[in-house]
Order: sequence, then structure tokens, then C-alpha cells
Amino acid sequence: EAQVTQNPRYLITVTGKKLTVTCSQNMNHEYMSWYRQDPGLGLRQIYYSMNVEVTDKGDVPEGYKVSRKEKRNFPLILESPSPNQTSLYFCASRGLRRTDTQYFGPGTRLTVL
Amino acid sequence: DQQVKQNSPSLSVQEGRISILNCDYTNSMFDYFLWYKKYPAEGPTFLISISSIKDKNEDGRFTVFLNKSAKHLSLHIVPSQPGDSAVYFCAATYYGGSQGNLIFGKGTKLSVKP
Repeated sequence: EAQVTQNPRYLITVTGKKLTVTCSQNMNHEYMSWYRQDPGLGLRQIYYSMNVEVTDKGDVPEGYKVSRKEKRNFPLILESPSPNQTSLYFCASRGLRRTDTQYFGPGTRLTVL
Repeated sequence: DQQVKQNSPSLSVQEGRISILNCDYTNSMFDYFLWYKKYPAEGPTFLISISSIKDKNEDGRFTVFLNKSAKHLSLHIVPSQPGDSAVYFCAATYYGGSQGNLIFGKGTKLSVKP
């Protein structure tokens, strides 16, 4: 089954404790992206990657890091989480064409205390 | 500056009637528009799209209309069903714009009452 998986689905942590949210896709997609969803703000892009070792900032990259060492994986790293990073996070992937359908993962609910 | 606007945070419709969700955009370079549907505890899923060379695209109960001069698109759901209750996101992209990244609106929560 074609899918984007994220782990963990739920995470409660404390300020300053480094964490990684994993994302993996099995569709051989070149493009992968991270979004956060906040009430009243919709979906905002954090980082995206056009292919292995190619990453770029989205609209709200501050406080986040990403890496793309393998085509299927695109982890999101919070080196020093803060309460304003409490949010619902989605990973997504699609083919190279911008009109290709973008598939989203199920989401990761992160709470930073 | 918000480039894609969904000005109605919520919409309530009776089962069997038409649901109309609206979306406005400000960037005249946008040439491809999409609607995504999101259920609670799930990721958004693609619903329907339209290219700027068209003014209408239909897929079953779902039709998207594009009015380029007004920079407005709308999603019509006919007839509406309780299973359509979800948050609907409008999104847009344009050639040459940040690798074609999607710009999303804030979403409209649709409630279809039996």
C-alpha cells in the first residue's frame, strides 16, 4: 500500500530536549516536505526536499532541522524544542512534477512543556 | 501576507443539499489549484484540482470552479453527505515558485447534518 508513515504519532516532551520525528514514504517520491498545522493558521511549510541531499527552507523553518540521506526518509529534528513548537506536524511526499498528487502522513501531535 | 484565503472558518449544511466552499487568492501567478480534505486524526488527502486553463473540473459529487478574473475558486459538493464533514483546505502553486510548493489556505470546517 502506498503510504507516508510518521513516528511517533503523539509525543509530549520538555523544553530543550532534542527530538526527532521520522518520516518515510514507499512511493519512490523525489519531493518530501514537512508542515505544521496550528489553529487559525492552516498548514505552513517548514522544510522541503527535492531529492537526496537537497533540502530548502519553507515558510517557518526557525527551530527545525531536516536531513535527506535516503530517498525514502525525511526526518524532522528539533534540537532544542520550545513551547511555541507545540503543534500538529505532517510529512508529505510527491513526484517531481508540482502537479503530482501530494500524499500526507497521518500526523504527529507534539506537545512541548 | 496571506496569498490563499479561506474566509469562512466553518460551514454547516443539511444532508442532501449543496455545500459551497470558497477560496480567494492574491497571487496572479498561481496556475494550479487543489482542494484537500482532512478528517480528525488523519493527514490531508487530495480531493480535486484544476488548472488555470480551465474554469471547471468535475469528479463525481465534487466540482471545482475557477474564476481567474476574480481570483476566486469554489468547491461544490452535491449532494452533501454526513461523511463529507471534514476540514477542507484550498491550495495553490505556480510554475517557478519555490519548486512548486503548495500554498495552503487556513481551511474551512464543513459540517453536514443528517
